[in-house]
Amino acid sequence: QSALTQPASVSGSPGQWITISCIGTSNDVGKYDYVSWYQQHPGKAPKLIIYDVSKRPSGVSNRFSGSKSDNTASLTISGLQAEDEADYYCASHATSGTFWVFGGGTKLTVL
Amino acid sequence: EVQLVESGGGSVQPGRSLRLSCTASGFSFDDYAISWVRQAPGKGLELVSLIRNRAYGGATDYAASVKGRFAVSRDDSKDIAYLQMNSLKTEDTAVYYCARGGGSGYYLFDYWGQGTLVTVSS
Repeated sequence: QSALTQPASVSGSPGQWITISCIGTSNDVGKYDYVSWYQQHPGKAPKLIIYDVSKRPSGVSNRFSGSKSDNTASLTISGLQAEDEADYYCASHATSGTFWVFGGGTKLTVL
Repeated sequence: EVQLVESGGGSVQPGRSLRLSCTASGFSFDDYAISWVRQAPGKGLELVSLIRNRAYGGATDYAASVKGRFAVSRDDSKDIAYLQMNSLKTEDTAVYYCARGGGSGYYLFDYWGQGTLVTVSS
């Protein structure tokens, strides 16, 4: 299966909000509510920040939110902070292959 | 505290083999699937293999890029998952992470290890 499509980069100023899109197909994002988002700082392991499209794990800031419409999932980060600067990846359960597909990643720059 | 610790990475020549281990603690290992996700230098994440728990028959899945060369297994008595990598290619060079979840009714990767680097080069 093909990777999910994410913008290569997004940027925003402290205090602003940004949205990262994740475009899939009817065989992954459009079919399942098993979309998750991961934050990765340089040299670190990915960290789960959103699962089941819009749920937040315990301890994750409520500045992070997720949504889905048809074949596109979105991650919104409000009240941008310097510590949010990282790479963000979406992932979705899929109908074939390893039954998982990841996005190519989006680099968030906080200006 | 949930912890996953990978080991076994290193530098190998093309065509050789390597076995990675993922040692788990802090949770009931046999209740969860374990996934192996790799990240090539400067690239994104790719799920290469996952193994479900016994309740799901211990079923395994592989990415097309590693099918027939990699084999995933688990020892629930030791809380360890393994990734046997054979016939390694230069394109297998990556940091390999193990993560909890991805199957067995648990459709997320909620805990990750720190990763182990595999370098395949002549």
